[in-house]
Amino acid sequence: QSALTQPPSASGSPGQSVTISCTGTSSDVGGYNHVSWFQQHPGKAPKLIISEVIKRPSGVPDRFSGSKSGNTASLTVSGLQAEDEADYYCSSKADDNILLFGGGTKLTVL
Amino acid sequence: QVQLVQSGAEVKMPGASVKVSCETSGYSFNNYDINWVRQGTGQGLEWLGWMNPYSGATNYGQKFQGRVIMTSDPSKGTAYMELSSLRSEDTAVYFCARFPRHYLSTLDYWGQGTLVTVSP
Repeated sequence: QSALTQPPSASGSPGQSVTISCTGTSSDVGGYNHVSWFQQHPGKAPKLIISEVIKRPSGVPDRFSGSKSGNTASLTVSGLQAEDEADYYCSSKADDNILLFGGGTKLTVL
Repeated sequence: QVQLVQSGAEVKMPGASVKVSCETSGYSFNNYDINWVRQGTGQGLEWLGWMNPYSGATNYGQKFQGRVIMTSDPSKGTAYMELSSLRSEDTAVYFCARFPRHYLSTLDYWGQGTLVTVSP
């Protein structure tokens, strides 16, 4: 039951695009289309921004998009804005019906 | 509107137990399951387990098996998470979050978090 692997940090200038990866195995990310992404600002609860790999909940800007290839899922933030600066976490359903999280990525808007 | 409101901060001695509540409203309690997640200071998210408030079924993370119990009171729309044999490394903010049944990673609404501090 190892955590999913995310880069600890990512950055981009306003208006640019940035992609954050989330790597697992065939027992989790690669085996299920149950990958989600969460945005967390300091002192706040996480907020769901992508579910089931590619679905955006109501109210989430379309600047946020998700994808998956093999055992790696990705979150792309296009047209970076200052308010996108936050921590981002991926999660995936895994074998034995458990949930795994990535270690988190701190996104800095330069 | 959907709300999950958690109980207040707790300070516990090592070896003690803590029980955190998660009072829900704005949706049908029995139609969604509840995940419990924690976050140490400056740390990432860690999954403790999930429960089905309707059937009482649970699934705990391997790390917490034997120390965690998740229950619910459907009449109050409230879920509970009890963690025993507390140690300093259990100091964290504990969150409840609902998810649509069978969509384990879709944690669409979260509680505000409960800080549990374990200190002698």
